[in-house]
Amino acid sequence: GQSLEQPSEVTAVEGAIVQINCTYQTSGFYGLSWYQQHDGGAPTFLSYNALDGLEETGRFSSFLSRSDSYGYLLLQELQMKDSASYFCAVRDTGRRALTFGSGTRLQVQP
Amino acid sequence: DTEVTQTPKHLVMGMTNKKSLKCEQHMGHRAMYWYKQKAKKPPELMFVYSYEKLSINESVPSRFSPECPNSSLLNLHLHALQPEDSALYLCASSQGGTGFNEQFFGPGTRLTVL
Repeated sequence: GQSLEQPSEVTAVEGAIVQINCTYQTSGFYGLSWYQQHDGGAPTFLSYNALDGLEETGRFSSFLSRSDSYGYLLLQELQMKDSASYFCAVRDTGRRALTFGSGTRLQVQP
Repeated sequence: DTEVTQTPKHLVMGMTNKKSLKCEQHMGHRAMYWYKQKAKKPPELMFVYSYEKLSINESVPSRFSPECPNSSLLNLHLHALQPEDSALYLCASSQGGTGFNEQFFGPGTRLTVL
């Protein structure tokens, strides 16, 4: 089976940088993904890391260390619209499905 | 077209009703998913269809019955539901291979069971 841990809540101010960590335990591993979900909305894909290192997409970056079973999502130049829940998700080898972490609720304050 | 559509947006049903949720995508994705999401919780996988065949059933009660009529459509048939089944039901799709990690979600159907 799989289990993922991420903080339940994070608060930051506009313009700041925030890092949301995710540790995972899986019997196999086929990549770590990140999704954003605004209240009342659907999850939207942000990034995917299959290999160690940093992937950058605009203000968002995602990092993976497979040896530490650890990854993080880095959000820079925070904006009010970044207030949302962020989920990390893993896919086991041989399983065509994702398991989501419990989610981190990010609140951006003015 | 990079959109997954779901109908209806909202559904209220009694415990004796039969209803269906519908999902459609025209991105050529060959994997489609049903998730259930309760408030302040992550999406919880229910079913996965891969190339129109059911590949994962996460021990979902038989009152939920999925159907994949073709590669673009996914239905979820509901019968004799319980009040605790009230939730947001999300449909998603993805490509195969590494694309399984990038799922496109529909807006969901908010279901209330009375």
